[in-house]
Amino acid sequence: DVKVTQSSRYLVKRTGEKVFLECVQDMDHENMFWYRQDPGLGLRLIYFSYDVKMKEKGDIPEGYSVSREKKERFSLILESASTNQTSMYLCASSPAGGFFYEQYFGPGTRLTVT
Amino acid sequence: EDQVTQSPEALRLQEGESSSLNCSYTVSGLRGLFWYRQDPGKGPEFLFTLYSAGEEKEKERLKATLTKKESFLHITAPKPEDSATYLCAVPQSNSGYALNFGKGTSLLVTP
Repeated sequence: DVKVTQSSRYLVKRTGEKVFLECVQDMDHENMFWYRQDPGLGLRLIYFSYDVKMKEKGDIPEGYSVSREKKERFSLILESASTNQTSMYLCASSPAGGFFYEQYFGPGTRLTVT
Repeated sequence: EDQVTQSPEALRLQEGESSSLNCSYTVSGLRGLFWYRQDPGKGPEFLFTLYSAGEEKEKERLKATLTKKESFLHITAPKPEDSATYLCAVPQSNSGYALNFGKGTSLLVTP
């Protein structure tokens, strides 16, 4: 079974803090993704990475950055957390190839910024 | 513009009462349609991938079908444990990696 793990289930941070969310997958997938999920807005893509050190912006990258130094690990960084970044953050991974493959999700991190 | 629309937003069924969830999409050149189940406070769990019109996939009480404009998730004789939010997603037209997700259908099955 594909396993995607996230470093924290719940996190509470203060406005202005630098926040790191980490994601690890154990299936040697090339692609990794960070989403946020908010009521009424659904899942929105923040950033994705298709290889080590490679990244591309998703639909809502403002206020976020990412790092992928190893194939299995993809980190999301909030440089200066703000209250509007309170959300559920979901990491996902998928294999690469000719087809568009399904993504496998981690359990999520519920981040609250006060 | 790519769009994925799910209906209804919420559905309440009695145990054993079969029904269908709808996912309609507008994308240029469909490269797959994905169904997920999401329980409260958890990440989405992959259910099915459909790649071409006419394709069907089944898993227990769930059956997914695909046409050129929409997909249905049929739930036969549901049980309370089928209660969850069901999401569908399609690849973005201009991306080799990104998915567009619908907002989901919240299903509640009562005993």
